[in-house]
Amino acid sequence: DAGVTQSPTHLIKTRGQQVTLRCSPKSGHDTVSWYQQALGQGPQFIFQYYEEEERQRGNFPDRFSGHQFPNYSSELNVNALLLGDSALYLCASSGTGRGTDTQYFGPGTRLTVL
Amino acid sequence: GNSVTQMEGPVTLSEEAFLTINCTYTATGYPSLFWYVQYPGEGLQLLLKATKADDKGSNKGFEATYRKETTSFHLEKGSVQVSDSAVYFCALSGEISNFGNEKLTFGTGTRLTIIP
Repeated sequence: DAGVTQSPTHLIKTRGQQVTLRCSPKSGHDTVSWYQQALGQGPQFIFQYYEEEERQRGNFPDRFSGHQFPNYSSELNVNALLLGDSALYLCASSGTGRGTDTQYFGPGTRLTVL
Repeated sequence: GNSVTQMEGPVTLSEEAFLTINCTYTATGYPSLFWYVQYPGEGLQLLLKATKADDKGSNKGFEATYRKETTSFHLEKGSVQVSDSAVYFCALSGEISNFGNEKLTFGTGTRLTIIP
């Protein structure tokens, strides 16, 4: 049973560029959440997707956008990159309904903005 | 809004020592509480969880009890090993709805180093 997978593992971009990160959820999961983890900090919630729609959003600017596909996989897009966007981006998947409150995380994508 | 306050690190212990990492929270309603562990260069792994007051989560010798009266979820282990060296995150999610779970709110993490 494959867990949550993310690609790429590492990415280096320059300021002003755009980036797309990808996530495949754990088998049987239909909800995908994205988190940003700055160095030495706890993860911060970006947004959550369910049924191809953004269901919840954290305190992140509109430069951060996402998408969920019919197979439940998801993308995170960041436009106009800033140095402060350098972080580990984590994807987490979960099921739906009561008793499915556990989110399972992927290994993350390390984004460096120069 | 929801928040989690975690014991400041780093924490350094000798092998076989007793471990406590404190975690308190602020939330409305009845959140679920979690401990996640992050090994160097990796993502987060769920260590244990508790979904209602007085529940005790346990895994790999670690335990934590959901204390609503003190809004705490302290992590404990009776005898730590070198392999327990990692960063530990306390987290909560909002009350479960019929549509699934809410976002996770994390503490800042506690770096634990175990010396042989």
